[in-house]
Amino acid sequence: DAKTTQPNSMESNEEEPVHLPCNHSTISGTDYIHWYRQLPSQGPEYVIHGLTSNVNNRMASLAIAEDRKSSTLILHRATLRDAAVYYCILSMDSNYQLIWGAGTKLIIKP
Amino acid sequence: DVKVTQSSRYLVKRTGEKVFLECVQDMDHENMFWYRQDPGLGLRLIYFSYDVKMKEKGDIPEGYSVSREKKERFSLILESASTNQTSMYLCASRGTGEPPYEQYFGPGTRLTVT
Repeated sequence: DAKTTQPNSMESNEEEPVHLPCNHSTISGTDYIHWYRQLPSQGPEYVIHGLTSNVNNRMASLAIAEDRKSSTLILHRATLRDAAVYYCILSMDSNYQLIWGAGTKLIIKP
Repeated sequence: DVKVTQSSRYLVKRTGEKVFLECVQDMDHENMFWYRQDPGLGLRLIYFSYDVKMKEKGDIPEGYSVSREKKERFSLILESASTNQTSMYLCASRGTGEPPYEQYFGPGTRLTVT
């Protein structure tokens, strides 16, 4: 099973960009890369996903390495409300089940 | 907006009790999932269902069963609760079609078995 590796935690200052890395060296050609985040006392929420090309949406940007063995979630201007655990996940098989890791706890300093 | 609701935010049960956790979604999604979340382990899939009356085992189905009699409702059953089933339980739903549809999560039920 393809797995992801993320740092346990990261700190950033409010109103600065944040780059959250993820390694997935065993990714297969059909695996999508998903990012979810979980705010305190809430269920996870979808952030963004991609396959090969970089992606942007209103929440974040996803930069995918050319060999697809790593990706980076970019929050362009972090706020205190972005403090959460961020999960980098690969989907696999026809049911697109998500295989969750431990995630990165993002701490935002005012 | 998609809404996934879970019957309780907090639940305390005794060892050996039968426990029902209910999940309801309002977006006519075909797929529904039950996860448990424990510190340092991330989310682990217990069961999922891709249609009414259909179910598939996830990674950790032992000690659990599920029921899906209606499309909008997916129930997780602990036949005889044990202390090692103390955990946060999360329900999610997802539509089908062009992959990969995002999963929508409920707020979670924190279950304590004493």
